[in-house]
Amino acid sequence: KNQVEQSPQSLIILEGKNCTLQCNYTVSPFSNLRWYKQDTGRGPVSLTIMTFSENTKSNGRYTATLDADTKQSSLHITASQLSDSASYICVVSARTGGFKTIFGAGTRLFVKA
Amino acid sequence: DVKVTQSSRYLVKRTGEKVFLECVQDMDHENMFWYRQDPGLGLRLIYFSYDVKMKEKGDIPEGYSVSREKKERFSLILESASTNQTSMYLCASSPASGLDIQYFGAGTRLSVL
Repeated sequence: KNQVEQSPQSLIILEGKNCTLQCNYTVSPFSNLRWYKQDTGRGPVSLTIMTFSENTKSNGRYTATLDADTKQSSLHITASQLSDSASYICVVSARTGGFKTIFGAGTRLFVKA
Repeated sequence: DVKVTQSSRYLVKRTGEKVFLECVQDMDHENMFWYRQDPGLGLRLIYFSYDVKMKEKGDIPEGYSVSREKKERFSLILESASTNQTSMYLCASSPASGLDIQYFGAGTRLSVL
């Protein structure tokens, strides 16, 4: 069964600190993995996208890694800011004739001053 | 910038009412999607469309229908709203490319009383 599991469910960190969010998936055959940021009351916005051959991708203070062998991805946030408070959603697509997209439930990050 | 616009941010409807949720995108994308998002469950695909007048069922189509009469507009219809359809509804669009990056609207929070 295709699944995407994220951990932790929620996280509280102090402004300026780093944090890492995890995503484990069982989606097959793998096509790509994306991380989205969703601010409260807004739609998700794409942060990074990685295909099978890529193992790291950066977008400013956000760095995503992908280990296709262990089917794990992480999103590392450096020097967190208050504006990083949001939900972070891991999304994995399977190549199945068309595309099958599976969303994780998200990690809710709170950055406090 | 891609813009996906959902006609309402908040809606309150009564059980049994017919509800229309409208979504418009301005980037000439072929693919459009409707999701619902509930706490702890992540985004679940209701319907998607890959061309005008074409529609495909997603994971949870029961109780919903869709309409795509024009390329830029994708409507979600609740024929007879029920309380278990209270949720956040998100529309997305994507070009017909291999990486299927989806661009999301801001969401419509629907409450069915």
